[in-house]
Amino acid sequence: GESVGLHLPTLSVQEGDNSIINCAYSNSASDYFIWYKQESGKGPQFIIDIRSNMDKRQGQRVTVLLNKTVKHLSLQIAATQPGDSAVYFCADRGGYQKVTFGTGTKLQVIP
Amino acid sequence: EAQVTQNPRYLITVTGKKLTVTCSQNMNHEYMSWYRQDPGLGLRQIYYSMNVEVTDKGDVPEGYKVSRKEKRNFPLILESPSPNQTSLYFCASSFGDPTEAFFGQGTRLTVV
Repeated sequence: GESVGLHLPTLSVQEGDNSIINCAYSNSASDYFIWYKQESGKGPQFIIDIRSNMDKRQGQRVTVLLNKTVKHLSLQIAATQPGDSAVYFCADRGGYQKVTFGTGTKLQVIP
Repeated sequence: EAQVTQNPRYLITVTGKKLTVTCSQNMNHEYMSWYRQDPGLGLRQIYYSMNVEVTDKGDVPEGYKVSRKEKRNFPLILESPSPNQTSLYFCASSFGDPTEAFFGQGTRLTVV
């Protein structure tokens, strides 16, 4: 079946370095992609989104890249800070208003 | 303050005893949904609603019911809970479609 997955379950990054979190999706009909951040004990929090007619979108310290050819998207966090430590999920809207989440990548920031 | 409120935050119940988890949002959002989160499986959508009286199944709807009688409320009902429904549940809401969803704090349910 269709799925949204992540390449690595855990990513450790030195404070101040850039982080790159990857995500693969399989539904070629997906038209909208979202990144969420989930801190321990909290609900997911929206970070940034991108529509399938774009290949790059930038926010504050974050950039999402979409490569439809290989069905891959990535979240780049510039100058990673301790407060960025969390689990990051990608999600896609494939079927009619349905959202599918990946399993998550845990980002650990090393001071 | 814009928020999605779930209650209760924690619940331990016994197999077969009907329960309801409430969800309320104060942002006048049309779209609301329920997810369950299990280790290694991420978040899986249970049910979603695009507006009042409009609900549809997500990926894992078995054993759950929902209703959307008012725009702000979207309760999740477990008619006969079973241990495999032990999980962390999240309610979410957004404008129009599942873009920029706001999530509640979660409800940790244990069924024994």
